[in-house]
Amino acid sequence: GQQLNQSPQSMFIQEGEDVSMNCTSSSIFNTWLWYKQDPGEGPVLLIALYKAGELTSNGRLTAQFGITRKDSFLNISASIPSDVGIYFCAGRMSSGAGSYQLTFGKGTKLSVIP
Amino acid sequence: DSGVTQTPKHLITATGQRVTLRCSPRSGDLSVYWYQQSLDQGLQFLIQYYNGEERAKGNILERFSAQQFPDLHSELNLSSLELGDSALYFCASSVDPGQAEAFFGQGTRLTVV
Repeated sequence: GQQLNQSPQSMFIQEGEDVSMNCTSSSIFNTWLWYKQDPGEGPVLLIALYKAGELTSNGRLTAQFGITRKDSFLNISASIPSDVGIYFCAGRMSSGAGSYQLTFGKGTKLSVIP
Repeated sequence: DSGVTQTPKHLITATGQRVTLRCSPRSGDLSVYWYQQSLDQGLQFLIQYYNGEERAKGNILERFSAQQFPDLHSELNLSSLELGDSALYFCASSVDPGQAEAFFGQGTRLTVV
């Protein structure tokens, strides 16, 4: 099956620092998504990317869809304590007949030191 | 609040038992997805329904089944439960399968003892 390699697995940063994480795949995806999950909650969609090379921002978050369609990265600028959580990348492709499934990376656990 | 409602929030049951997890999608969403999240496997896609019909199957065990009802709510049935089935089970919904943006519920934490 498809595998997404997400890195780093975890990171500890000072408040105010910028953060960068990425996902790579051996397969091509048509869509990349980035989610954040807080403890005890479901994943919340942050950014969706639909075209190779696309760069999209959502506040302090910026994500890019790699031109090979096999990778994506997420940057968070000027981190704040509420950025703490687990960030997941997800790739989506059609599996035929109008069916789609998301393949998730294993997550990057972000800790912010005030 | 994503608008996706899952019940129950927590469930503790014994091995060999059967449980049913319930999901109500966001208003207007026709497509429902079920995912399993365990510590070592991350989020794994189980199954997708669209307007009552099964659309895609992932790594769903034969002991597990799901359905989507005419009112669009969905149920995930887990039977002959094993200790390894302990996990968070998430439901997500989207307007249709073509829309990539799926919104997740808060999950059901299943503990098998």
